[in-house]
Amino acid sequence: AQKVTQAQTEISVVEKEDVTLDCVYETRDTTYYLFWYKQPPSGELVFLIRRNSFDEQNEISGRYSWNFQKSTSSFNFTITASQVVDSAVYFCALSEVSGNDMRFGAGTRLTVKP
Amino acid sequence: DVKVTQSSRYLVKRTGEKVFLECVQDMDHENMFWYRQDPGLGLRLIYFSYDVKMKEKGDIPEGYSVSREKKERFSLILESASTNQTSMYLCASSSSSGRAYEQYFGPGTRLTVT
Repeated sequence: AQKVTQAQTEISVVEKEDVTLDCVYETRDTTYYLFWYKQPPSGELVFLIRRNSFDEQNEISGRYSWNFQKSTSSFNFTITASQVVDSAVYFCALSEVSGNDMRFGAGTRLTVKP
Repeated sequence: DVKVTQSSRYLVKRTGEKVFLECVQDMDHENMFWYRQDPGLGLRLIYFSYDVKMKEKGDIPEGYSVSREKKERFSLILESASTNQTSMYLCASSSSSGRAYEQYFGPGTRLTVT
């Protein structure tokens, strides 16, 4: 069975601090996809990134970076120099090849204080 | 701009009422999804549809049904609302080609059943 664990329920940092959100997953599939979504206070989930299981390269997009390690079944998300606008709930998700069976973690609420 | 809209942001219903939640997407996506979001549980899939008139059960279909008569519209139906169905309901859509697997979400409907 597929499962995603986000052990950090809430994180609070001060602006300009770096912060890492952890994500650990379980799956028996050899091909799968991993995602991160952001849910700001407005409620609408916003897609941030998708990785497939064959691509373990780390990715950087501006202040955001993702570290995918199959050996530890982890897909962690780091925000560098955090800003107040980064305050949101962040979800990690895992899906099978079809993309129709997506499993979400419980989410991590990030609060960035000025 | 991609767009998924949901008929209501907030809804209050009484126990036993039949409730309809509507979702419309304008991206010509084949796949549509209904999730419920509860604190500490993340998003859980209720139903999804990969084509008009087609539907598949997700993890928690009990007490719900769905309807997809047109490609752009996916309705979630609570046959007889109960207080344990008080939750945030999120609709999403995705393509079966191109940027497949990337789900686009609506703003959510917060349903309270009293």
